[in-house]
Amino acid sequence: GAVVSQHPSWVICKSGTSVKIECRSLDFQATTMFWYRQFPKQSLMLMATSNEGSKATYEQGVEKDKFLINHASLTLSTLTVTSAHPEDSSFYICSARDMGLAGGYEQFFGPGTRLTVL
Amino acid sequence: RKEVEQDPGPFNVPEGATVAFNCTYSNSASQSFFWYRQDCRKEPKLLMSVYSSGNEDGRFTAQLNRASQYISLLIRDSKLSDSATYLCVVLTDSWGKLQFGAGTQVVVTP
Repeated sequence: GAVVSQHPSWVICKSGTSVKIECRSLDFQATTMFWYRQFPKQSLMLMATSNEGSKATYEQGVEKDKFLINHASLTLSTLTVTSAHPEDSSFYICSARDMGLAGGYEQFFGPGTRLTVL
Repeated sequence: RKEVEQDPGPFNVPEGATVAFNCTYSNSASQSFFWYRQDCRKEPKLLMSVYSSGNEDGRFTAQLNRASQYISLLIRDSKLSDSATYLCVVLTDSWGKLQFGAGTQVVVTP
């Protein structure tokens, strides 16, 4: 399947700092990428849909000014958690659709970024 | 009511046995469905897509019942490596937005 990378794989930061997470599609182009968050023993929750060259679409309850998303190219989307607080500690996962696949709705996930805010 | 519901398990399965579990979805207009597996502290990995009435991939069989709005996953000849959480996923719009179930944990024991 298609390969999606994420960087960093884990990060520990102090409360109040900002953290940037990168999501890259390595062998395909992704006009649409998705950002999820997963708390322990819970399901993945979609935070936002990232569209190349346009503003992201945020899910209800997700603060767009706190979780900044930039999708500057067909292979890169970034999520910046601004002024992080301990309650933002979570597993952040991105995914991308490979538009070249027949059907085109399968999503391939990055390995995730584990964020811990002290 | 949750959009996608799964029995959280765990399903404890002896190695070599068969296990099956269901997932129900609330939106009757949903057209595409997937099973993903997720290992502890890892990202989900696509296991199977379920586009029609069902499909089979080796030891894994997925079935879709549109009338009753559920999909099922059956694992035959279970291996220790099948131990994971299986996520039921439903496509919710044409942009590719997915709705995830909370997952069913399967533990295969020697």
